[in-house]
Amino acid sequence: DTEVTQTPKHLVMGMTNKKSLKCEQHMGHRAMYWYKQKAKKPPELMFVYSYEKLSINESVPSRFSPECPNSSLLNLHLHALQPEDSALYLCASSPETHEQFFGPGTRLTVL
Amino acid sequence: GEDVEQSLFLSVREGDSSVINCTYTDSSSTYLYWYKQEPGAGLQLLTYIFSNMDMKQDQRLTVLLNKKDKHLSLRIADTQTGDSAIYFCAERPDTDKLIFGTGTRLQVFP
Repeated sequence: DTEVTQTPKHLVMGMTNKKSLKCEQHMGHRAMYWYKQKAKKPPELMFVYSYEKLSINESVPSRFSPECPNSSLLNLHLHALQPEDSALYLCASSPETHEQFFGPGTRLTVL
Repeated sequence: GEDVEQSLFLSVREGDSSVINCTYTDSSSTYLYWYKQEPGAGLQLLTYIFSNMDMKQDQRLTVLLNKKDKHLSLRIADTQTGDSAIYFCAERPDTDKLIFGTGTRLQVFP
């Protein structure tokens, strides 16, 4: 298994809903990442987990809550989002070296 | 902070070479990367260059690095319609931190 998978592919939620995004990799990578990408913009780093510990939080609002239950799985819990949070959410993972490998993303729409 | 700058758009004829340029900001970045993003998809790592190199070639891709000017370029030889996508350069100013460029949309026409 040589890829990063993300579910769901698409998600529509209301501002009062709670939902979660899921990311998996079975390559034994030591680090996992969440990025947010707005339309026609580059990805922006949100969170980094290294060896299952949160190592970087780029001042992301608390309505986004990351979780790394084990070395293969990364979740992003969403609560009380705003319409401006609508974006493509990308997960990536990295082995001991420097490259980051991305999943296909979850397209989130907040109504 | 400053943006990692790329030109917005490039249009080339199939079979020609494409050159995509990037001006980055952090001279301490140890690695610089090129990613490709097709519509509605994630990012695909195309290639990277270590900061002590001037050039790296990988099949149809050639990366040139000018550290003095903080300028990075990606040349795609014999450009094909399947190369149509958005191309992002990225710098790595710190462990685990990638800063992406503004992106260049490459359109290849027959």
